[in-house]
Amino acid sequence: DIVMSQSPLSLAVTPGEPASISCRTSQSLLYSNGDNYLHWYLQKPGQSPQLLVYLGSNRALGVPDRFSGSGSGTYFTLEISRVEAEDVGVYYCMHTVETPYTFGQGTKLEI
Amino acid sequence: QVHLVQSGAEVKKHGASVTISCKTSGYTFTEFFMHWVRQAPGQRPEWMGWVNPANGDTGYSVKFQGRISFTRDTSANTAYMGLYRLTAEDTAVYFCARINALPHRYDLDYWGQGTLVTVSS
Repeated sequence: DIVMSQSPLSLAVTPGEPASISCRTSQSLLYSNGDNYLHWYLQKPGQSPQLLVYLGSNRALGVPDRFSGSGSGTYFTLEISRVEAEDVGVYYCMHTVETPYTFGQGTKLEI
Repeated sequence: QVHLVQSGAEVKKHGASVTISCKTSGYTFTEFFMHWVRQAPGQRPEWMGWVNPANGDTGYSVKFQGRISFTRDTSANTAYMGLYRLTAEDTAVYFCARINALPHRYDLDYWGQGTLVTVSS
């Protein structure tokens, strides 16, 4: 199984300041079609995960442009340019390059 | 708009079975595989497998093979997950999630609200 390792595991950020989360994988997520099968989710307390970024760098519908994803192969980053109070929760990276899909251990963002 | 609505919380005894439903609306049920993911308290999500609503084909995580079953009812646009021989380690929130497999996608884009299953001894 592909191991997903996130850092940091927790993050305290002042509103308006930037934040960055990284995800390192034990195998490359770059598929033969050129896409990286790495996605980012935010899980707010008591809710299901919500998609933020798909295929490494594409914002999902309705996601604010302060969220951006980058990376390729085995190293990926999610950046929030200016954190807002509504961004609190746990961020997960997840791959879908092969089964079983696996998730990172999560990064808890607090204000 | 796409909605996935799951059945309510369950409390089960050790060794029992549970079935969870996931009723969909807002899209063509048979055009998107459905995946199931669970999340134990304080843990990261864990992928369990998938079902193809068009023909009933399934794929299961090795961890659950032999005690899990995914089915669907196309007339009701609903997917089902059955988990058998429950133990305390199966206490978790269970989610259904649609996979968007359109070109240059391959993500779980819509999720159900989750169903808490509590297994007691």
